[in-house]
Amino acid sequence: AQSVTQPDIHITVSEGASLELRCNYSYGATPYLFWYVQSPGQGLQLLLKYFSGDTLVQGIKGFEAEFKRSQSSFNLRKPSVHWSDAAEYFCAVGARAAGNKLTFGGGTRVLVKP
Amino acid sequence: DSGVTQTPKHLITATGQRVTLRCSPRSGDLSVYWYQQSLDQGLQFLIQYYNGEERAKGNILERFSAQQFPDLHSELNLSSLELGDSALYFCASSVLGGIQETQYFGPGTRLLVL
Repeated sequence: AQSVTQPDIHITVSEGASLELRCNYSYGATPYLFWYVQSPGQGLQLLLKYFSGDTLVQGIKGFEAEFKRSQSSFNLRKPSVHWSDAAEYFCAVGARAAGNKLTFGGGTRVLVKP
Repeated sequence: DSGVTQTPKHLITATGQRVTLRCSPRSGDLSVYWYQQSLDQGLQFLIQYYNGEERAKGNILERFSAQQFPDLHSELNLSSLELGDSALYFCASSVLGGIQETQYFGPGTRLLVL
């Protein structure tokens, strides 16, 4: 069975500083990997996804993520955080063998200090 | 705005009752997914439909059922409600339901069981 771990429940970062959110997955084959963001009172919005090819993926809102197969990781980064980036971020893994369902991590809540 | 609509936004009901949550997918999307987000279980996949047929099933309780109608809207029925069913229920849609597709999430229905 596939699983996703986001080790950091909360992260506080100053506006303008860089941000890195960790994601580790467990899956036997090549996974499909996603990062979603959930702003307060909102649904989830896809930031980026990885299926194959270049392991560095660019997404919306200035985010990027790097797939590292050797570390089973898919960490999300942003070079300079804006106050509007305060939200909860979810990493997810999907697999055809698992019936097309997405398995989400527990989420990381990001707080941005002025 | 993802284009996915969910009604109602909020629902308060009592234990033992039955409720129906409604979802309209984005125009042109044939596949609908249901997710449950709770404090203790996190974000969990419940069920997926494609063009009226069930395609994938996750951790959906027997007290819960769903269907997708010919006009592609979907309903999630929750019966014999328990306190632990209190959660945010999301609907998502995608074009063909493939795992590599982006799932667009609605704003959710917040259910409170008293």
